[in-house]
Amino acid sequence: NAGVTQTPKFRILKIGQSMTLQCTQDMNHNYMYWYRQDPGMGLKLIYYSVGAGITDKGEVPNGYNVSRSTTEDFPLRLELAAPSQTSVYFCASSPSGGRAGQETQYFGPGTRLLVL
Amino acid sequence: AQSVTQLDSHVSVSEGTPVLLRCNYSSSYSPSLFWYVQHPNKGLQLLLKYTSAATLVKGINGFEAEFKKSETSFHLTKPSAHMSDAAEYFCVVKSSASKIIFGSGTRLSIRP
Repeated sequence: NAGVTQTPKFRILKIGQSMTLQCTQDMNHNYMYWYRQDPGMGLKLIYYSVGAGITDKGEVPNGYNVSRSTTEDFPLRLELAAPSQTSVYFCASSPSGGRAGQETQYFGPGTRLLVL
Repeated sequence: AQSVTQLDSHVSVSEGTPVLLRCNYSSSYSPSLFWYVQHPNKGLQLLLKYTSAATLVKGINGFEAEFKKSETSFHLTKPSAHMSDAAEYFCVVKSSASKIIFGSGTRLSIRP
């Protein structure tokens, strides 16, 4: 199992450009998540999905969009990149939410994005 | 509402001495609590989790944590630090798929 994979590892964008961060998991997990991690901070939830065709906003969704057409893939789209979106982005998956969210999340290696 | 506070942004210990990383939480529900470790330029890896079973939870690499409801704490400990333990550690409180709060992290440094 590769687990959770993310591409690209690093990207520089100009202000106003758009891009898609790719996330794939091969564990047949229903739940998938996107987080951003700013320097010196914990992770903040951007969007999550509980299954193919179902997505919902997290704590910081503005400026991002997601889709979930398959169980395996959960891409994150930035439409008009802004310097405030400079961050490290992590994708994660879990088998389900579980009672009280007790399921373990498995994280990808991250995508480092710099917007100039 | 949920919140989590990691009381120390940086902890430095000597190799072979005990490690204590402190985490306090608040939650309106009965939450699940997690500790994750992040090595430089890597993703997060689960160390251990509490899900309302035993209050003393044992994790990987000799780490353990004790859930203390009366003190709303979930501190992470290890009896003897190893150089490979140097990393960033995150305490996480979850009560559902979308109610997930990460602490701001504690950077653990190990002195030779």
